Amino acid sequence: AQSVTQLDSHVSVSEGTPVLLRCNYSSSYSPSLFWYVQHPNKGLQLLLKYTSAATLVKGINGFEAEFKKSETSFHLTKPSAHMSDAAEYFCVVSDAGGFKTIFGAGTRLFVKA
Amino acid sequence: DGGITQSPKYLFRKEGQNVTLSCEQNLNHDAMYWYRQDPGQGLRLIYYSQIVNDFQKGDIAEGYSVSREKKESFPLTVTSAQKNPTAFYLCASSKGTASRTDTQYFGPGTRLTVL
Repeated sequence: AQSVTQLDSHVSVSEGTPVLLRCNYSSSYSPSLFWYVQHPNKGLQLLLKYTSAATLVKGINGFEAEFKKSETSFHLTKPSAHMSDAAEYFCVVSDAGGFKTIFGAGTRLFVKA
Repeated sequence: DGGITQSPKYLFRKEGQNVTLSCEQNLNHDAMYWYRQDPGQGLRLIYYSQIVNDFQKGDIAEGYSVSREKKESFPLTVTSAQKNPTAFYLCASSKGTASRTDTQYFGPGTRLTVL
């Protein structure tokens, strides 16, 4: 069975400093992994996805994530935080059929001026 | 513009009333989904539909019903049997290729409050 764990419920950074949002997964096969962002009272927007083509995945707004099979991790990073990055971020794993996805509990990112 | 629309954005209902949430997409996607989001929790799957006239229960289907009569539309009815209906409801769609790489695209959500 698939599962996903976001290791931090809240992360706070200063503007201009790096962002690290951690995600570990469990899967009995090679998974597809996604990161979505959600701004308050909005729908989810896809940041990036891993589908086994390349372990380092670049997404929108300067975000990237690295798939590490040995560590079963898919951490999201950004070199320099911007105020507009303040939002909730979800790590997601997709099952073999592609229809049932498992969402992590989310990490809320705070960015201080 | 292609996308997913949900209406209304905010919905208030009295306890014991059924209520239907609308979801429409013009992305020509075969698959559609309904999720429920509660504060501090990830999304939980209510129902999904792989194709017109077919749908399957997700993890928390009790107290909800859906229909899929048209490719573009996937309305969700929250019935009086749902014990805690107050939540943020999100609709999504995907190409429906039955592939784990299939990306889901989300609507803006409907916040339902039951008084």
